[in-house]
Amino acid sequence: QQQVKQSPQSLIVQKGGIPIINCAYENTAFDYFPWYQQFPGKGPALLIAIRPDVSEKKEGRFTISFNKSAKQFSLHIMDSQPGDSATYFCAASAYSGAGSYQLTFGKGTKLSVIP
Amino acid sequence: NAGVTQTPKFQVLKTGQSMTLQCAQDMNHEYMSWYRQDPGMGLRLIHYSVGAGITDQGEVPNGYNVSRSTTEDFPLRLLSAAPSQTSVYFCASSRGRRGENIQYFGAGTRLSVL
Repeated sequence: QQQVKQSPQSLIVQKGGIPIINCAYENTAFDYFPWYQQFPGKGPALLIAIRPDVSEKKEGRFTISFNKSAKQFSLHIMDSQPGDSATYFCAASAYSGAGSYQLTFGKGTKLSVIP
Repeated sequence: NAGVTQTPKFQVLKTGQSMTLQCAQDMNHEYMSWYRQDPGMGLRLIHYSVGAGITDQGEVPNGYNVSRSTTEDFPLRLLSAAPSQTSVYFCASSRGRRGENIQYFGAGTRLSVL
């Protein structure tokens, strides 16, 4: 119920391509869906996030598409660059009791953008 | 603002040794958590705290202890290190608010248990 399933596990694209990373969930209580970007040797950092009342959100070259009825959301990276090579995690937030909201993470997608 | 600070950055332990991983945040966040990251396993929650004096277990708590005596600090203790605890550990903090649960992560502690 609390799982977030992320695919693919790894992805290789040419520079300028549009990598797409997909996530699916079951728990309808999730109310916030962030994506995190992690470079080697660093901690994850928030990239972009969406709430379930919105179907799409764009920030620069990054777009989240959200399908509430299908319980799926995806990250698209337009005009991908070698500097986008990183591991991407989707996540979902839900109330976990005692006044706190917890994030459940997908297992991550390692993206390599080839020059 | 330093954000979330973790020390040490690297550590090598022998099986059976104990140690404490330090985590401090200067954003006055109520919610703090510890994750471990292993290849292909994503980020798995070890323990979390919703405020000073309040802690609870996450997905993989065995072999780890935590305490939260102040809002700023949330140390993770390994009681008797085992090779299975070789991992990268991340501390994170957030306001934990409904509809805007942004977690800020530290740079990580890379632990090897021999």
